[in-house]
Amino acid sequence: QKEVEQNSGPLSVPEGAIASLNCTYSDRVSQSFFWYRQYSGKSPELIMSIYSNGDKEDGRFTAQLNKASQYVSLLIRDSQPSDSATYLCAVNIYSNYQLIWGAGTKLIIKP
Amino acid sequence: KAGVTQTPRYLIKTRGQQVTLSCSPISGHRSVSWYQQTPGQGLQFLFEYFSETQRNKGNFPGRFSGRQFSNSRSEMNVSTLELGDSALYLCASSLGQGAGYEQYFGPGTRLTVT
Repeated sequence: QKEVEQNSGPLSVPEGAIASLNCTYSDRVSQSFFWYRQYSGKSPELIMSIYSNGDKEDGRFTAQLNKASQYVSLLIRDSQPSDSATYLCAVNIYSNYQLIWGAGTKLIIKP
Repeated sequence: KAGVTQTPRYLIKTRGQQVTLSCSPISGHRSVSWYQQTPGQGLQFLFEYFSETQRNKGNFPGRFSGRQFSNSRSEMNVSTLELGDSALYLCASSLGQGAGYEQYFGPGTRLTVT
């Protein structure tokens, strides 16, 4: 089992709908969780960090963390074609010194 | 506030050569982490520098090394280049040491080894 797992996709979502991206992790004591967006040929861009169970909202983005079930998700409301990108989940695993990255989910928003 | 800068942006080297990449963090950020990104392996952690000291290291051979200067700028060196070293090399800066801090990436250096 990989330490941080994401469905590679592609996940295809109609414009205006809610896109739901999921990430599971193996370390029960992980404390820090991050979502990044990466456009093709560009570097990752931080969308949101989350450290506590529950929801955290920032504009059209909502991160949801459930430590008991060891998953973190990202919801994108009112999806736009400009949201088409690869979304990377990063989690600190086993220690507080290194992030482990998922392979990313490719999201395609269809006009 | 200016973002993370990396130089050069593109580099073509021959097997056996060495290369040095540079990273300037966001002003006030004291930690710099380096990553290698390839289509097959995704983002792989190389090392983190904080206060001019390497604090954490990923699972890469000793050919990969780095350093950090007193102004927090960092350099990464790869010696005896191999074809498999072709990748996008990213640096990320953060306020503090460790995985609990948000990391902000530079544009990357795309290295091609022929």
